[in-house]
Amino acid sequence: ILNVEQSPQSLHVQEGDSTNFTCSFPSSNFYALHWYRWETAKSPEALFVMTLNGDEKKKGRISATLNTKEGYSYLYIKGSQPEDSATYLCASNTGTASKLTFGTGTRLQVTL
Amino acid sequence: GAVVSQHPSRVICKSGTSVKIECRSLDFQATTMFWYRQFPKQSLMLMATSNEGSKATYEQGVEKDKFLINHASLTLSTLTVTSAHPEDSSFYICSARAAGTRTGELFFGEGSRLTVL
Repeated sequence: ILNVEQSPQSLHVQEGDSTNFTCSFPSSNFYALHWYRWETAKSPEALFVMTLNGDEKKKGRISATLNTKEGYSYLYIKGSQPEDSATYLCASNTGTASKLTFGTGTRLQVTL
Repeated sequence: GAVVSQHPSRVICKSGTSVKIECRSLDFQATTMFWYRQFPKQSLMLMATSNEGSKATYEQGVEKDKFLINHASLTLSTLTVTSAHPEDSSFYICSARAAGTRTGELFFGEGSRLTVL
């Protein structure tokens, strides 16, 4: 994998459903993996920064896992709420470069 | 959390004019700021890395004379799109990294949508 790829591109779930998204990234020269939440007309907001293989982080109903050997991360949302509706971006920080390479995002819509 | 303010949020200009976008870190010092551009249905693409007090580092394919970046203080970076043309119409967004870390989270501005007529 040369780029950061996210799937699905969009997702429509009902309130109370649990859901998850995937982020694939280059596994060579891995440094860190970031997840951001981006609501319409607002600034992207950092959710997690993960660096260690097997790392798992949690913030409320949202959690993320990291597999640096195979180059993927999952973001889970338990019991989705309408306020979870946003675009979820992942970004990879590789090698000695300090810049991030972003995926195209997964757009989540949660309806009542 | 740290706040980054970016403006204008929207700007419409005529072809050939120059447009300046400001990015300010309100409650922290940002030695490094990043400028991104996003075209529809594409990912955020890094244009340049702006370091306080020194010249910006541009990504391959980004014209430094077209997109002037100035980072004169620890709280302000500006992007000037010079002699804008319709193909420069895009969404531009800045981010800042808190001092002292390369893996640390980025704090983003709200973005600026530029439309060149």
